[in-house]
Amino acid sequence: AQSVTQLGSHVSVSEGALVLLRCNYSSSVPPYLFWYVQYPNQGLQLLLKYTSAATLVKGINGFEAEFKKSETSFHLTKPSAHMSDAAEYFCAVSILNRDDKIIFGKGTRLHILP
Amino acid sequence: EAGVTQFPSHSVIEKGQTVTLRCDPISGHDNLYWYRRVMGKEIKFLLHFVKESKQDESGMPNNRFLAERTGGTYSTLKVQPAELEDSGVYFCASSQGDRVAYNEQFFGPGTRLTVL
Repeated sequence: AQSVTQLGSHVSVSEGALVLLRCNYSSSVPPYLFWYVQYPNQGLQLLLKYTSAATLVKGINGFEAEFKKSETSFHLTKPSAHMSDAAEYFCAVSILNRDDKIIFGKGTRLHILP
Repeated sequence: EAGVTQFPSHSVIEKGQTVTLRCDPISGHDNLYWYRRVMGKEIKFLLHFVKESKQDESGMPNNRFLAERTGGTYSTLKVQPAELEDSGVYFCASSQGDRVAYNEQFFGPGTRLTVL
């Protein structure tokens, strides 16, 4: 069965610094991968998704993620953190034409230091 | 256009009581999903409606949970009787189509349920 592992339940970066949130997946077949963000008191919002096209995926708010099959990773990055990026981020996986459900990781809370 | 709304935002009940959560999807979205996040754990799928029919309810924990979507519009999730382990945040999401790779699921803000 597919699964995702997010390394670090809390990550702190300084404003202006690189954001790197790690996600590794487990799947026996090519997966579809997602990053969602949850801002305080709001629902989850899709940041970006990988669906077997380009391996480098660009999302909203300056975020991007790279699918690396050899490393079974889909890490999320942003070159320069902004205070408004403080939120919880969820990596997720789905297998098309299987059960087609979204399997979420445990989430990583990103803290931005002034 | 209004997003997915959920009511109530918070609910505190005692063990053994009944609670009903409501979700209003985005207008025109046939697909409605319920998820749950127990503290410190993953967000987990509970079930999926297509219009008023249950497409997949494999994630429902047990028969104390009953989901309905009469008329294919809003949905309710009833927990009866509630147990301590039911505490968590219940999310609802809706989408136009059911292929997750091609149809974004729009999430509501969640209902935080606390069972004492």
